[in-house]
Amino acid sequence: DAKTTQPNSMESNEEEPVHLPCNHSTISGTDYIHWYRQLPSQGPEYVIHGLTSNVNNRMASLAIAEDRKSSTLILHRATLRDAAVYYCILRDYRSGATNKLIFGTGTLLAVQP
Amino acid sequence: DTGVSQDPRHKITKRGQNVTFRCDPISEHNRLYWYRQTLGQGPEFLTYFQNEAQLEKSRLLSDRFSAERPKGSFSTLEIQRTEQGDSAMYLCATRGTGSSEQYFGPGTRLTVT
Repeated sequence: DAKTTQPNSMESNEEEPVHLPCNHSTISGTDYIHWYRQLPSQGPEYVIHGLTSNVNNRMASLAIAEDRKSSTLILHRATLRDAAVYYCILRDYRSGATNKLIFGTGTLLAVQP
Repeated sequence: DTGVSQDPRHKITKRGQNVTFRCDPISEHNRLYWYRQTLGQGPEFLTYFQNEAQLEKSRLLSDRFSAERPKGSFSTLEIQRTEQGDSAMYLCATRGTGSSEQYFGPGTRLTVT
């Protein structure tokens, strides 16, 4: 399975944008880039995913490098409720794949008021 | 609340005892995953069901672990002869056909004393 590299921790101020980076230099053509987050004492929660093009949803935006070897999750205005561990995950969509998620240790985002 | 429920939420047991956890998925989701998460780590994949068929098992799933999904609805995860190293959060996630998102339950926290 292709691996991802994320910073261990980041800090942000409330109501400011946050850019969470992820490196995935060994990504294959069948890997989608997924982001999940885990709030304290909860199970992980889906945030966003993409293949090649940048993606936007109500929670965040995903910017994918042209060579797909890195991506950035963008929270446009951080709130205290966004404090969580953010996981960048590559998921293989080949036929027959279980689509299991391979989590790393993620980035712990702290949001200061 | 994602719609995935797990029971119990907490379990304390003595080493050597057997424990069983239950996961109730979102009703139309035919794909179900079990993960295990230890402190400071991301979740680790244990096993995957599509309907009632167990299609993949991780090497982490030793012969003391067994999972079932008898009618393709709820699932159980049993650990026999528990060891202190089994102490962890056990997470269940489900996914519908054609969906990219896995929906996680709140987890069962197991403490083996």
